[in-house]
Amino acid sequence: QQQVKQSPQSLIVQKGGISIINCAYENTAFDYFPWYQQFPGKGPALLIAIRPDVSEKKEGRFTISFNKSAKQFSLHIMDSQPGDSATYFCAASYNDMRFGAGTRLTVKP
Amino acid sequence: NAGVTQTPKFQVLKTGQSMTLQCAQDMNHEYMSWYRQDPGMGLRLIHYSVGAGITDQGEVPNGYNVSRSTTEDFPLRLLSAAPSQTSVYFCASSYRMGSGELFFGEGSRLTVL
Repeated sequence: QQQVKQSPQSLIVQKGGISIINCAYENTAFDYFPWYQQFPGKGPALLIAIRPDVSEKKEGRFTISFNKSAKQFSLHIMDSQPGDSATYFCAASYNDMRFGAGTRLTVKP
Repeated sequence: NAGVTQTPKFQVLKTGQSMTLQCAQDMNHEYMSWYRQDPGMGLRLIHYSVGAGITDQGEVPNGYNVSRSTTEDFPLRLLSAAPSQTSVYFCASSYRMGSGELFFGEGSRLTVL
């Protein structure tokens, strides 16, 4: 069974809009929650990550919101741009890293 | 800066053939791992290694074999390829297990006919 559940599968947003991707996990031993960005034909690359001792982390237009009690975390992309069009994976790690199913984001100009 | 290098980038096999996907990293990372990526399934962990001579199974190990004789190299072997192993395979490494960021290679696309 998938240890990290991600939604939605796909997302279409207009340029300048906010993109929101959600993830939920079950294993409370997870202590590192990254988001990876993947462009076609490339490997995933770390975008932003959070540890469970904070509820929010912001880097530029990208923000992770983390709710430890609900075992949920989300990625918010503000002022979405066509160059943000990619597949996004949430993940959770204690020792090895487990990934969500991915969200294909399309930002329309 | 090479990072994580995977070869080959593309491969077509017939059912029952064997092959090895190569992975090398030049960052002196202790931890290396193999994932497969399938539509709607995300990235699933096949095998991992926490150092030379030490390997362990991930979520989907059946049909795959690994070894780690050096810090740099972590090859993935398909012993008798099956159509269900058609996938994109990614090698990833990090400083040590659980240390945070995984660095990925560019992937190897395998088709089994």
